[in-house]
Amino acid sequence: DQQVKQNSPSLSVQEGRISILNCDYTNSMFDYFLWYKKYPAEGPTFLISISSIKDKNEDGRFTVFLNKSAKHLSLHIVPSQPGDSAVYFCAASPSNTGKLIFGQGTTLQVKP
Amino acid sequence: NAGVTQTPKFRILKIGQSMTLQCTQDMNHNYMYWYRQDPGMGLKLIYYSVGAGITDKGEVPNGYNVSRSTTEDFPLRLELAAPSQTSVYFCASTNPLKFSYEQYFGPGTRLTVT
Repeated sequence: DQQVKQNSPSLSVQEGRISILNCDYTNSMFDYFLWYKKYPAEGPTFLISISSIKDKNEDGRFTVFLNKSAKHLSLHIVPSQPGDSAVYFCAASPSNTGKLIFGQGTTLQVKP
Repeated sequence: NAGVTQTPKFRILKIGQSMTLQCTQDMNHNYMYWYRQDPGMGLKLIYYSVGAGITDKGEVPNGYNVSRSTTEDFPLRLELAAPSQTSVYFCASTNPLKFSYEQYFGPGTRLTVT
């Protein structure tokens, strides 16, 4: 029972263009959503998050959008840079548990 | 601040052997977690702890044990290693008072059981 799904295993974009990574969830009790970035042989690092009471959060080149009715969130990276090439995980937190449920990850390749 | 540190970085075990994966954090976080990541998959929660002396099971606890005697340390014990436990193991911690629920991860331990 996959509560958080990233249906695209990989994505390739040209440098300077927009990267859009998608994530779907099934549990309406999730109240916080996060995106993590992971380079090979390293642990995941936090990128950006959004509360369920918001529909958008922006941090520099990174913007996360939340559509609660569709149970869908997306991460936009504009403009994409070769250093953004990594695996991106979305994660969701059920209310007051302190736990995170992760998606399977999407490998982003940004071509120079 | 070293953050979250894990040892060893790599380990090869024979079937039936036991080992302890070490995890230490220096951020005074009460909450700590152990995850495993299999190829092409997301992170699955094995065990977690909300403070010294308190631990609880996650999604995939079978074959593992944990203890939490101090705030800083959260070791993960594998008893009778099996090939199915071949994975990359990540330890994480967080401050539950921080609104963003952000967890800080260690660099991982790559374990192979043959």
